[in-house]
Formats: sequence, structure tokens, C-alpha cells
Amino acid sequence: AQSVTQLDSQVPVFEEAPVELRCNYSSSVSVYLFWYVQYPNQGLQLLLKYLSGSTLVKGINGFEAEFNKSQTSFHLRKPSVHISDTAEYFCAVSISMIKAAGNKLTFGGGTRVLVKP
Amino acid sequence: GAVVSQHPSRVICKSGTSVKIECRSLDFQATTMFWYRQFPKQSLMLMATSNEGSKATYEQGVEKDKFLINHASLTLSTLTVTSAHPEDSSFYICSARGEGGYEQYFGPGTRLTVT
Repeated sequence: AQSVTQLDSQVPVFEEAPVELRCNYSSSVSVYLFWYVQYPNQGLQLLLKYLSGSTLVKGINGFEAEFNKSQTSFHLRKPSVHISDTAEYFCAVSISMIKAAGNKLTFGGGTRVLVKP
Repeated sequence: GAVVSQHPSRVICKSGTSVKIECRSLDFQATTMFWYRQFPKQSLMLMATSNEGSKATYEQGVEKDKFLINHASLTLSTLTVTSAHPEDSSFYICSARGEGGYEQYFGPGTRLTVT
């Protein structure tokens, strides 16, 4: 079974400063990787995903993430944050698209980003 | 595209009653739907996976008789919390995936409060 660890439960950051959210995973098979954002009392919105190909993935709202297979990491970065980026961020993995597996997502514990003016 | 809705967005019910939550895929056919539960300031925990027309597959530790899931059509899945108790109070989120797709599209969530 796979697991996901988000090393920081909370990250305070000043507006216009860069931010990095760390995500490490464990799996015995190839995985697909996702980052989601959740605003208060809302569902999840996909920021970006890695399925294959280039290890640097660009997503919405200026976010990007880099897949590092040797370090089993998929850290999320943004060079300059806005107040509106204050939210909860979840890293998630699923094993490859074998239908029988049901494409279940395993989520990390989440990282709360608080952007200060 | 790929919009998922949930209804209601918020519900308060009395202990011992049952409550039904609907999850709809608005612009695609969802062959698979997933139900998650999220406690305050915690991550999402998968409760069950449902495929259209067949019985749901529950995760370990989830009571299937308490959390009834029905996926009767390609656009609708329902979660019924039976004989609800205060400890069932939580944020319930559904997601949906189309045939052959890999991505799950999430609904906005339903906040259940049992008094």
C-alpha cells in the first residue's frame, strides 16, 4: 500500500514571498501524484498532477511541482504568494490506472498555508 | 467541464434520524464515485468506492450498514447516514471519475451536524 507524508502541517508566509510545501510518498509500484487545494468549507480543487514525462509540472495559479523519483518526493512551489493562496493543500498519490484498483487516492495529512500581509 | 455537485451543502439533524446526501456529476458520466469523510483540520479519509450498478466497496472500519451508498445511475450517487449520532458529524465529500479516466473530480462537500 502507498502512503503520503506532508512534512509541514502549517506554513506561515508573507505576501509576495516564495513558498514550498513538502510531500514525500512511499509505494512499491509506480504512482501518479497530485496536489489539491481546499479553501474553507469547500471541496478540493486540482492544482496539478504528474502522470509521466517531464518531472517539472506546472499547474494553475502559478504553482509548480517537481517529481523526484530517487527521493520519492513531489514538492509544491510558488515563487510569490498572494493573500488568496491562504488555504489547505493536500498531496495525493494513486497507483497506475489499473481498473481493478479503482484509482483510489491516498492523501497526505495536509499543509495549512497562511499568507500574511 | 467535469463539475460535481453535492446536496445539501449543510444539514443539521437530530440524533437517531437518517440523512441522505446526493452527489451528482453534471456534465459527464461517472462510472465510479468515491465518498470521503473529513474531520476538522484533518485529511480526507476514503469511506467507500461505488461503481454504477454494483455494490459499493467499503474501506476497512467503515460500517456499511450505517453508511448506505447507492450508485443507481451514471450521474448520481447517494450516501445515507442511518441512525445518525453526534460522532457522525463531519464534512462529507464525494468525487467522481468517468469511464477510462484517471482524475477524480470533487464535489463541494456537505457539512453534517448531528445534535
